[in-house]
Amino acid sequence: AQSVAQPEDQVNVAEGNPLTVKCTYSVSGNPYLFWYVQYPNRGLQFLLKYITGDNLVKGSYGFEAEFNKSQTSFHLKKPSALVSDSALYFCAVRAHSGNTPLVFGKGTRLSVIA
Amino acid sequence: EPEVTQTPSHQVTQMGQEVILRCVPISNHLYFYWYRQILGQKVEFLVSFYNNEISEKSEIFDDQFSVERPDGSNFTLKIRSTKLEDSAMYFCASSEMDSGGVFTDTQYFGPGTRLTVL
Repeated sequence: AQSVAQPEDQVNVAEGNPLTVKCTYSVSGNPYLFWYVQYPNRGLQFLLKYITGDNLVKGSYGFEAEFNKSQTSFHLKKPSALVSDSALYFCAVRAHSGNTPLVFGKGTRLSVIA
Repeated sequence: EPEVTQTPSHQVTQMGQEVILRCVPISNHLYFYWYRQILGQKVEFLVSFYNNEISEKSEIFDDQFSVERPDGSNFTLKIRSTKLEDSAMYFCASSEMDSGGVFTDTQYFGPGTRLTVL
């Protein structure tokens, strides 16, 4: 069965500093990995995904994520954090393509302090 | 940019009552999903729907739950007799096929309906 772990409930970072939100996964076969962000009173917004190809994936709002197969990780990163990046971030995985459900981590709350 | 919409944003109901949560998926999307998130817990899959039938459902999706696409735009989740433990945020999502008939993998989510069962 697939699973996702987000080991940090909360990440605090100063504006302008780099940020990392951690995610590790467990899945049989090749993983399909996703990051979503949730702002207050909004739905889950798609940020980026890894399906195949380059291990470094670039997404919306300057975010990127690095797929590391040996460490089964897919950490979300941004070189310079903005106060507006403060939100709840969810990592998700599915085992293969197609109409299959996502398995989510519990979420990490990112707080960027001015 | 097209978005998934959900109504109502917040529903309060008494235990044992029926509720219907409504979703309007993105117009050219063919696959629809419901997920839920109990406060402080993970987002959990409930059901997926394609071509007017359920594709997959989780163990959470028991006989108290049903889904329907009553017309060309709405996708609904009905809970027949609500329990206290049904209190959660319910998210609708949709995804599409590209012009080559290939599933595109990305699910787009609505803002959610917060269901409170008293």
